[in-house]
Amino acid sequence: AAGVIQSPRHLIKEKRETATLKCYPIPRHDTVYWYQQGPGQDPQFLISFYEKMQSDKGSIPDRFSAQQFSDYHSELNMSSLELGDSALYFCASSLVPTEAFFGQGTRLTVV
Amino acid sequence: AQSVTQLDSQVPVFEEAPVELRCNYSSSVSVYLFWYVQYPNQGLQLLLKYLSGSTLVKGINGFEAEFNKSQTSFHLRKPSVHISDTAEYFCAVSRSIQGAQKLVFGQGTRLTINP
Repeated sequence: AAGVIQSPRHLIKEKRETATLKCYPIPRHDTVYWYQQGPGQDPQFLISFYEKMQSDKGSIPDRFSAQQFSDYHSELNMSSLELGDSALYFCASSLVPTEAFFGQGTRLTVV
Repeated sequence: AQSVTQLDSQVPVFEEAPVELRCNYSSSVSVYLFWYVQYPNQGLQLLLKYLSGSTLVKGINGFEAEFNKSQTSFHLRKPSVHISDTAEYFCAVSRSIQGAQKLVFGQGTRLTINP
């Protein structure tokens, strides 16, 4: 069965650079979520999209933005990267209101 | 607002022993409850979920959990663990209304199985 695809799997960026993370949800899923998991931490909700419209917003810095495109894939854009942005970024998708299925994550390292 | 508390940050057990990972939640509204497992350097995999109906839910890999509304708990159990169950386990909650609902996670419990 198709799963949530995230790319890239690993990303190394320098401080103040920009990063773009991509997420391809499970086909026919109408909702995409982004989570950030710091080292040894639980996943923290960043933002979600339902039918291509932003549906909820969590603790997402103003330096981050996200959108969902017409083909339902989503991108998380992160600018002016800081060392503290180093984390595992998960995308999840669901067919509301059932459970969310998670991708393998993108490990972002800011140096 | 919802919150989730996992009472144990680490649980070491011997192989083939039973295990219980505790989870309590707080919410002023009805909720959906989930347990996810995260293996090292992997994503989150759903173990089981409670949406409605029977309070005892069975999941993958021999795990089960019981929803207790009066105690606001959703403890995860397995009667006999295997080395391969070593992982981080997250309890999560979302509100049970229509529309996209974010998951709120507990702090996680690291389950270590010793031979």
